[in-house]
Amino acid sequence: ELKVEQNPLFLSMQEGKNYTIYCNYSTTSDRLYWYRQDPGKSLESLFVLLSNGAVKQEGRLMASLDTKARLSTLHITAAVHDLSATYFCAVSIEGSARQLTFGSGTQLTVLP
Amino acid sequence: DGGITQSPKYLFRKEGQNVTLSCEQNLNHDAMYWYRQDPGQGLRLIYYSQIVNDFQKGDIAEGYSVSREKKESFPLTVTSAQKNPTAFYLCASSIRDGPQHFGDGTRLSIL
Repeated sequence: ELKVEQNPLFLSMQEGKNYTIYCNYSTTSDRLYWYRQDPGKSLESLFVLLSNGAVKQEGRLMASLDTKARLSTLHITAAVHDLSATYFCAVSIEGSARQLTFGSGTQLTVLP
Repeated sequence: DGGITQSPKYLFRKEGQNVTLSCEQNLNHDAMYWYRQDPGQGLRLIYYSQIVNDFQKGDIAEGYSVSREKKESFPLTVTSAQKNPTAFYLCASSIRDGPQHFGDGTRLSIL
């Protein structure tokens, strides 16, 4: 059974600071996704990581994937209040009809 | 504009009642999915469908049913057998091997 663990579950940080969210998964996977969810809203796709060593960046967010360590990171640079949201990683396994297994999410609060 | 439309946004269920949540997409995606989200938790897969007239159970299918008679539509019925239906329900769709795109969700509560 594929398990996906995120940490931390809750993160408060001050504007301008840097931090990293970690996503570990238990089974070999060929695809990892990061999503953002604002309170009461749907999920917004942020990144799709397809191969070992993949790195993608969008604004103040950068995601990376290490398939050997079964680890993905979401790095936040110089946080701003607008980044406050819950961030989910999700993993799919080739041949599984692309079913996604989600982590529990990291609730990020950026304080002024 | 292409997208995924879920309705209603809020739904209330009485004891012993079946309710149906609608999900329609005009993205021409083959695959569609239903997820359940409980407060403070991640999403769990209920059912998914890769093609019309075919669907498979996800991790928590008990108490739910689906149909896929048209490519655009994937309704979810929450049956009276689902004893704890209060949750946020999200529908998603994707092309083969593509990222899943999500609708705005339906919030279901028990009266």
